[in-house]
Amino acid sequence: QTVVTQEPSFSVSPGGTVTLTCGLSSGSVSTSYYPSWYQQTPGQAPRTLIYSTNTRSSGVPDRFSGSILGNKAALTITGAQADDESDYYCVLYMGSGMVFGGGTKLTVL
Amino acid sequence: EVQLVESGGGLVQPGRSLRLSCAASGFTFDDYAMHWVRQAPGKGLEWVSGISWNSGSIGYADSVKGRFTISRDNAKNSLYLQMNSLRAEDTALYYCANRVVWGQGTLVTVSS
Repeated sequence: QTVVTQEPSFSVSPGGTVTLTCGLSSGSVSTSYYPSWYQQTPGQAPRTLIYSTNTRSSGVPDRFSGSILGNKAALTITGAQADDESDYYCVLYMGSGMVFGGGTKLTVL
Repeated sequence: EVQLVESGGGLVQPGRSLRLSCAASGFTFDDYAMHWVRQAPGKGLEWVSGISWNSGSIGYADSVKGRFTISRDNAKNSLYLQMNSLRAEDTALYYCANRVVWGQGTLVTVSS
């Protein structure tokens, strides 16, 4: 069974840049997986940040960007702010459905 | 306002059934594939099921295959999830979502 991998946790300084990744236990992530990224703060519903690799959802600041880096999908946050402290999930579209990664808990400090 | 509103959750005994609904507004519903995603307490997101815009393509997670049925009614701007043979491990907050919008979720608790 294919597992989607994410860093369990990451830390970034205010104003800094951080890149979160989304990989596969076996194989490489490509645009054919239409990677998407979601942000979730405690007690809230997820919010779509990026879909189809690098398309920013409406209202999402341009300091959030998506890409393919090497064999993984990536979410880069530039100029991190305190309210970026959240859980971030990626999802990949497989032939039979979608698979979420385990999420990355981002700390801004 | 673009919105998805789930309903139908509640407390149900193991083995029983429940039907979730999701009402869409503020966007062209049949422009989008729709999905159900769940989140068990304190856990991550799990894709449950998805349906294409015209219901021509449907998929399920292995954990619910054969027990859950997704459907949609584009005339009513609504998405549904029929959940049968419910188990304790189905306890979660169930979200309705498309690629850009998420609902606030409806809580399903399976317990005797």
